[in-house]
Amino acid sequence: GDSVTQTEGPVTVSESESLIINCTYSATSIAYPNLFWYVRYPGEGLQLLLKVITAGQKGSSRGFEATYNKETTSFHLQKASVQESDSAVYYCALGGNSGTYQRFGTGTKLQVVP
Amino acid sequence: GALVYQYPRRTICKSGTSMRMECQAVGFQATSVAWYRQSPQKTFELIALSTVNSAIKYEQNFTQEKFPISHPNLSFSSMTVLNAYLEDRGLYLCGASPGQSGNTLYFGEGSRLIVV
Repeated sequence: GDSVTQTEGPVTVSESESLIINCTYSATSIAYPNLFWYVRYPGEGLQLLLKVITAGQKGSSRGFEATYNKETTSFHLQKASVQESDSAVYYCALGGNSGTYQRFGTGTKLQVVP
Repeated sequence: GALVYQYPRRTICKSGTSMRMECQAVGFQATSVAWYRQSPQKTFELIALSTVNSAIKYEQNFTQEKFPISHPNLSFSSMTVLNAYLEDRGLYLCGASPGQSGNTLYFGEGSRLIVV
């Protein structure tokens, strides 16, 4: 079936350091999956961080970037310089347009320390 | 902006009883609503996808008999957990989308079910 695998957390990074959270996917029932990163800040609901629907394209938001790589079936999340306010749980997800719906990875808890 | 409200935020129910949770979309038309469950130590499992004017699609391991869903209009959906037992505990999330599946989901904060 369709699935998403991402970096196991928790991940601790010092402020202003770079970050990468790995995400790989398997889309057996979706020919052209859409890929998402969602984020859940402490005390808040799950919200979309960025989304890419075309292979080879890059999405970006709030300093985060992720490139849809169909060859390696990956959608890694990166940020050049993290801040304490980035501390949250990050979820990679894939979805399609054929009646299937979004499948989530297990989530990666990020803690940014001063 | 697009907002989704879920209630109740938290419920404690006795084993074998039922719990109903509601999902309200504000600022957009919730054509599709996906219900998820996050069990302890697990990711979000898709329970079912509901699209207005279409049959509700349940995922494997989830049934209408156990998790009946109502999606009567473009702003509201509800789901009931019938005969809840320990394995049903977790955070239930409603994700609503104005478009087809694969579009961005707007999530509520979830309804947490605790079974005692």
